[in-house]
Amino acid sequence: EVQLLESGGGLVQPGGSLRLSCATSGFTFSSYAMNWVRQAPGKGLEWVAIISGTGANTEYADSVKGRFTITRDNSKNMLWMQMKSLRVEDTAVYYCAKARPTTSNFDYWGQGALVTVSS
Amino acid sequence: EIVLTQSPATLSLSPGERATLSCRASQSVSSYLAWYQQKPGQAPRLLIYDASDRATGIPARFSGSGSGTDFTLTISSLEPEDFAVYYCQQGSNWPLTFGQGTRLETK
Repeated sequence: EVQLLESGGGLVQPGGSLRLSCATSGFTFSSYAMNWVRQAPGKGLEWVAIISGTGANTEYADSVKGRFTITRDNSKNMLWMQMKSLRVEDTAVYYCAKARPTTSNFDYWGQGALVTVSS
Repeated sequence: EIVLTQSPATLSLSPGERATLSCRASQSVSSYLAWYQQKPGQAPRLLIYDASDRATGIPARFSGSGSGTDFTLTISSLEPEDFAVYYCQQGSNWPLTFGQGTRLETK
């Protein structure tokens, strides 16, 4: 059974930093691209970042480029999102999501981690 | 950036009725279009990928169609558990984008 479990969310002040983690199991982690998708309170879904199976390639939404960094460790089946220079508008539930093979759709999602940026 | 526009914003129907949800892209996404269902307090669930292929475990009452810029998600006969928010998502170009969602509510 595929499982994705996010952790690391919390309250942070504007300008601060936070690192989200996603622990995975139930699939060959290194074979799949992984993503972060976020959802602001009461709003729709926004794709944030993707990392290839090897970790060699990444893409980011313009809204987080230069501030967020997605990384992975295939030996530990772990995904991370390092978030810096956080803004109030980054407040959201952050989901890690597994990509379907060779596509940019998301077939498995974690339960989400809430990040609140507020003074 | 490819903008996806979903319509209607809200759809009010009764169980047993047919639901038709639309997603229009600002430029062609070929068939790289997916649909997701999200219920309150839950993560989204993949329903349809590549415009018309049902994801694993998705009931046959859900179907997708379209290509290029115009796509449709059809639920042939609504079950009580189908009332939720539905999002389309394109995987053709970076950045990946979602539509703003259609809320399917009980009439």
